[in-house]
Amino acid sequence: ETGVTQSPTHLIKTRGQQVTLRCSSQSGHNTVSWYQQALGQGPQFIFQYYREEENGRGNFPPRFSGLQFPNYSSELNVNALLLGDSALYLCASSFGTGGTEAFFGQGTRLTVV
Amino acid sequence: AQTVTQSQPEMSVQEAETVTLSCTYDTSESNYYLFWYKQPPSRQMILVIRQEAYKQQNATENRFSVNFQKAAKSFSLKISDSQLGDTAMYFCAFLSIQGAQKLVFGQGTRLTINP
Repeated sequence: ETGVTQSPTHLIKTRGQQVTLRCSSQSGHNTVSWYQQALGQGPQFIFQYYREEENGRGNFPPRFSGLQFPNYSSELNVNALLLGDSALYLCASSFGTGGTEAFFGQGTRLTVV
Repeated sequence: AQTVTQSQPEMSVQEAETVTLSCTYDTSESNYYLFWYKQPPSRQMILVIRQEAYKQQNATENRFSVNFQKAAKSFSLKISDSQLGDTAMYFCAFLSIQGAQKLVFGQGTRLTINP
């Protein structure tokens, strides 16, 4: 297992609500990336945080926002949840942004009803 | 924008056989990284093998090896002596060295190893 932990592992929310997902990066890693994986699909890049600053964003609306804390842990916030936001959300941590190996957590399964 | 295509949604082989998973990608960059990740039912993405585009030599990790054809933009994964524990979804992924460390994944191949 990697040292990347995500919480919670499963979550059920109602359409229109807001949700916060959490990720603790592996020790020594200063970069966290978030991905959305719809059922039967490959993960899609949401955004990346490097040393507490956003360092790139995928094609996701502003409803998806994030934070990185001084200890390099991170949060993903999604506002005004839609049914289509139901997915597995994966967090990956790495050191730097230059092609080093990314270690993934086990993901948070979000179901929007 | 980079794209990654895996044309085999599902594959199935017998234990101890060799299997090859296909991946093609599209990019205008000359230097980048390619990866194969394994995702078992536990959901955690596990790195199987990594290839730097500037290296001509194909990467090898124990029973796993790749056939990297840069001009053809092809990056296949060969699993030798397949084991039951190799059963999983396999994703091919592209990583640019420019900008954010953003992995671009293919759609995945579901591999089943039968006893």
